[in-house]
Amino acid sequence: EDKVVQSPLSLVVHEGDTVTLNCSYEVTNFRSLLWYKQEKKAPTFLFMLTSSGIEKKSGRLSSILDKKELSSILNITATQTGDSAIYLCAVEARYGGATNKLIFGTGTLLAVQP
Amino acid sequence: KAGVTQTPRYLIKTRGQQVTLSCSPISGHRSVSWYQQTPGQGLQFLFEYFSETQRNKGNFPGRFSGRQFSNSRSEMNVSTLELGDSALYLCASSRTSGQMNTEAFFGQGTRLTVV
Repeated sequence: EDKVVQSPLSLVVHEGDTVTLNCSYEVTNFRSLLWYKQEKKAPTFLFMLTSSGIEKKSGRLSSILDKKELSSILNITATQTGDSAIYLCAVEARYGGATNKLIFGTGTLLAVQP
Repeated sequence: KAGVTQTPRYLIKTRGQQVTLSCSPISGHRSVSWYQQTPGQGLQFLFEYFSETQRNKGNFPGRFSGRQFSNSRSEMNVSTLELGDSALYLCASSRTSGQMNTEAFFGQGTRLTVV
């Protein structure tokens, strides 16, 4: 059965700290890995990583895909209280025909204290 | 442009009732996926619709169903509600399905409480 596992489940840091969130997956027909930030309700897209784009960076956030280890990390440097959220990792897998499905991990709850 | 719109935002139902949730995707997006989010299980895939056809289905009982209209708006229906159906139901739209990797954009969700 396809699965995505995130760690840690929760994390409390202080402003200015650097954090690393982990995501590992076991899926057949991997297509891409996506990171989302969920603050209240709607998850918002952060990054998509594929075989042709294994490293992405945007401001203080960066992510790397390790296809050999079937994992990804999301780094946040110089954390701010506004970074407090649930960070979701999802893997897009190809199923029969031309259909894809997103399989989500349970998320990492990050709390940044002032 | 307008984002993904889900209605209603909140809903309280009693056990045994049925409920219909609505999702209007971003203009031009033809794929709509539905997810159930609970604290213990995280985000779980329900089904995906593309061009009015169900393309994929998760491991949920037949009480959960959906459809998509010609304007790409989608509805999901849950019949014979159970307490365990209480959750945040999220819908996500994307431009295509299966043709290329595209990111999905989520709506604000419908918070369903079954009492």
